[in-house]
Amino acid sequence: QVQLVQSGAEVKKPGASVRVSCKASGYSFNDYYIHWLRQAPGQGLEWIGWIDPKTGGTDYVQKFQGRITMTRETSISTAYMELSRLNSDDTAVYYCARDSSWGSPIHLTDYWGQGTLVIVSS
Amino acid sequence: EIVLTQSPGTLSSSPGEGATLSCRASQSISSTYLAWYQQRPGQAPRLLIYGASRRATGVPDRFSGSGSGTDFTLTISRLEPEDFAVYYCQQYGSSRYNFGQGTRLDIK
Repeated sequence: QVQLVQSGAEVKKPGASVRVSCKASGYSFNDYYIHWLRQAPGQGLEWIGWIDPKTGGTDYVQKFQGRITMTRETSISTAYMELSRLNSDDTAVYYCARDSSWGSPIHLTDYWGQGTLVIVSS
Repeated sequence: EIVLTQSPGTLSSSPGEGATLSCRASQSISSTYLAWYQQRPGQAPRLLIYGASRRATGVPDRFSGSGSGTDFTLTISRLEPEDFAVYYCQQYGSSRYNFGQGTRLDIK
């Protein structure tokens, strides 16, 4: 069965960086784009961007450009999201999610990771 | 950007009753590209409906979606305890994709 398993919670100081991992199993990792989203406490869902696991190509929401880096390691079917220059507004649960479309992203997500809580606090 | 507005913000119902949730778009969108997600407390969102009316794999048939143009509806018949959650509508596609603000479905 398809699974996305994320790394554990992180506590970071303002100005630091955080890297969250997302390990995929149960399908061909290269065939489906991975999206990253986040959800601040008590708030709705916010897109961050996506990565094409086959090529490493990325597309980031403008708000995060310059601070976000998405990478992947195909040998272990794992995607990574790194967010730098953290501030308190970045406190949120970060999710990875698989795009449902084979080969190109349509932003319809059919499987999600369990979420990773990132707390930014001095 | 097309804004999705969900109503009501909170809906209180009892197990066994039905519930109707609304999602209104600021411009017409293709029903092909409208989805609904369920998010239970402490859990990740779960895809329920795509293409406005198609149930995702494993979704019970008490969940149904309908609508077109700017008005879309998620209907839940015979509420079960596990259905009390937050529901989000979402438009999707290659270049347009965003969520509504959510409707919280509470136990009355």
